[in-house]
Amino acid sequence: GENVEQHPSTLSVQEGDSAVIKCTYSDSASNYFPWYKQELGKGPQLIIDIRSNVGEKKDQRIAVTLNKTAKHFSLHITETQPEDSAVYFCAATGNQFYFGTGTSLTVIP
Amino acid sequence: NAGVTQTPKFRILKIGQSMTLQCTQDMNHNYMYWYRQDPGMGLKLIYYSVGAGITDKGEVPNGYNVSRSTTEDFPLRLELAAPSQTSVYFCASSYRGGNEKLFFGSGTQLSVL
Repeated sequence: GENVEQHPSTLSVQEGDSAVIKCTYSDSASNYFPWYKQELGKGPQLIIDIRSNVGEKKDQRIAVTLNKTAKHFSLHITETQPEDSAVYFCAATGNQFYFGTGTSLTVIP
Repeated sequence: NAGVTQTPKFRILKIGQSMTLQCTQDMNHNYMYWYRQDPGMGLKLIYYSVGAGITDKGEVPNGYNVSRSTTEDFPLRLELAAPSQTSVYFCASSYRGGNEKLFFGSGTQLSVL
């Protein structure tokens, strides 16, 4: 099956700085790459996704980039705010979802 | 619109006990999933279902059973609970499957002592 690796496992940034989380995947057949945000005590929620026919996607302060050749994709959060503090998961999917191990992001006011 | 509802939110079991985690969705989704989340390990798929009457194993099915008698409900059964089943369990659903947004419930925190 697919193997998704996610780095870093923890990340602390000052409010207003940018945060970048990176994931790699192994199965070239994977074609959908979502990012989920999980706040404490809640279930994960989709924040942005990208399909394999697109290289970059933006939604306000959040962007995702995909490099199919290198099999990696990244989440970029600009102008971070305290409410961005959460655990972020990447995933790669074909028929099933394979999740990364998560990144705990702390935004320091 | 309730989305995906899981009960209970917390539960403590003794070794060897059994229980059922309930999951229901009101979005008429065909696909439903059960994941477990362990610290530093991400989400691992236990079982999934592509429609009423159809279920299949995921990555970590041992010690669990599921059924899908209706589109809305997808209960997860733990038989003979073991400490290794201490985890947070999430139910999720999607309309068509692996290339679509997953909707998650709020989770069940289970401790087996």
